[in-house]
Amino acid sequence: DADVTQTPRNRITKTGKRIMLECSQTKGHDRMYWYRQDPGLGLRLIYYSFDVKDINKGEISDGYSVSRQAQAKFSLSLESAIPNQTALYFCATSDGTGISTEAFFGQGTRLTVV
Amino acid sequence: KQEVTQIPAALSVPEGENLVLNCSFTDSAIYNLQWFRQDPGKGLTSLLLIQSSQREQTSGRLNASLDKSSGRSTLYIAASQPGDSATYLCAVSGNTPLVFGKGTRLSVIA
Repeated sequence: DADVTQTPRNRITKTGKRIMLECSQTKGHDRMYWYRQDPGLGLRLIYYSFDVKDINKGEISDGYSVSRQAQAKFSLSLESAIPNQTALYFCATSDGTGISTEAFFGQGTRLTVV
Repeated sequence: KQEVTQIPAALSVPEGENLVLNCSFTDSAIYNLQWFRQDPGKGLTSLLLIQSSQREQTSGRLNASLDKSSGRSTLYIAASQPGDSATYLCAVSGNTPLVFGKGTRLSVIA
């Protein structure tokens, strides 16, 4: 089983619908992140959480919200999806016990908003 | 604001050639630098992590160097193979989570 698991892997949704992307990890890491990847723009940070009680906005948080349900689970919600949120979404984790730690990524969720 | 630039954006080489991918960053106050590989439509696979106190890391045919003071890193791939074809991403972490470059798309031609 993968250390960082994202569900669903692919999703097509309609404009205006609410959608939740889920991420779970078995690495025991405190820190979790959501990024989106767009062609030509690279990966950009949406939200991140350093522990269960900590939530921080990233570079492009507008239109998104997150929930850290447990150390192992971090969900990303699109309250009212719009076509320009069509992208590849990645969840990542890292260990918060040291400064220099490696980040691990899930396989991604391909979201299409029509 | 940290910015990461990768040059070239795309590279095509014949099989067996040694090659270098470049990464530069604007704020030298980093904790570490990480190189990733991404196959089309797939997730990111971590290749090498260099901590800010280190100068280089090696894994098999891959060698990554870091010159923190000048804001530069290189990824050296020896004896390239068609299976190395992918996009290579550089990312740095400091006071903020990982900031990514846009990647170098590598094609190794058999």
